[in-house]
Amino acid sequence: NAGVTQTPKFRVLKTGQSMTLLCAQDMNHEYMYWYRQDPGMGLRLIHYSVGEGTTAKGEVPDGYNVSRLKKQNFLLGLESAAPSQTSVYFCASSLFRVPTGELFFGEGSRLTVL
Amino acid sequence: AQRVTQPEKLLSVFKGAPVELKCNYSYSGSPELFWYVQYSRQRLQLLLRHISRESIKGFTADLNKGETSFHLKKPFAQEEDSAMYYCALSGSGGGATNKLIFGTGTLLAVQP
Repeated sequence: NAGVTQTPKFRVLKTGQSMTLLCAQDMNHEYMYWYRQDPGMGLRLIHYSVGEGTTAKGEVPDGYNVSRLKKQNFLLGLESAAPSQTSVYFCASSLFRVPTGELFFGEGSRLTVL
Repeated sequence: AQRVTQPEKLLSVFKGAPVELKCNYSYSGSPELFWYVQYSRQRLQLLLRHISRESIKGFTADLNKGETSFHLKKPFAQEEDSAMYYCALSGSGGGATNKLIFGTGTLLAVQP
């Protein structure tokens, strides 16, 4: 049972390039989330989804887009990467809505924008 | 706006000493508080939630609505407790529905 899997785990981009982070979960969870983790700032919610075909903005959505075309996948896109988006990105999923549901996290994806 | 404050970036204690990781929150709705933990080279995972009122790995946390606090405590620290601890908030109403808002985290280092 893989749980939550993030791809890729590491990536280096140049300013202005685009990329997509893929999050896949095999637990049939309804809810999925993207967070970024920065030193001294903890985890901040970027976007989240309450079900297939839905997305919603979190605390820091600017510069990111997301899609949830399939229940098991939640994609995070950067259309034009900026150095301020250098971070570690975490995906999470939960069976029930927060606060009832426990969040299960992926291993993280480290992104560096030069 | 909802906010979680963890005032200590680093807490260093000796093995066997008591531990208290501080967490304060501001939230206009009905809060639910959690502690998540990230051990070295492991995934972030749930440690405990206030509504369960349980002790996990010797840790307890009591929600104090008057002081808007949810401090994490353990009477005798162990080296394996060394990790990054995040306090998190959710609830109904007040803008945190369906979301988990994290604090900045406290790194607990337990010295032998």
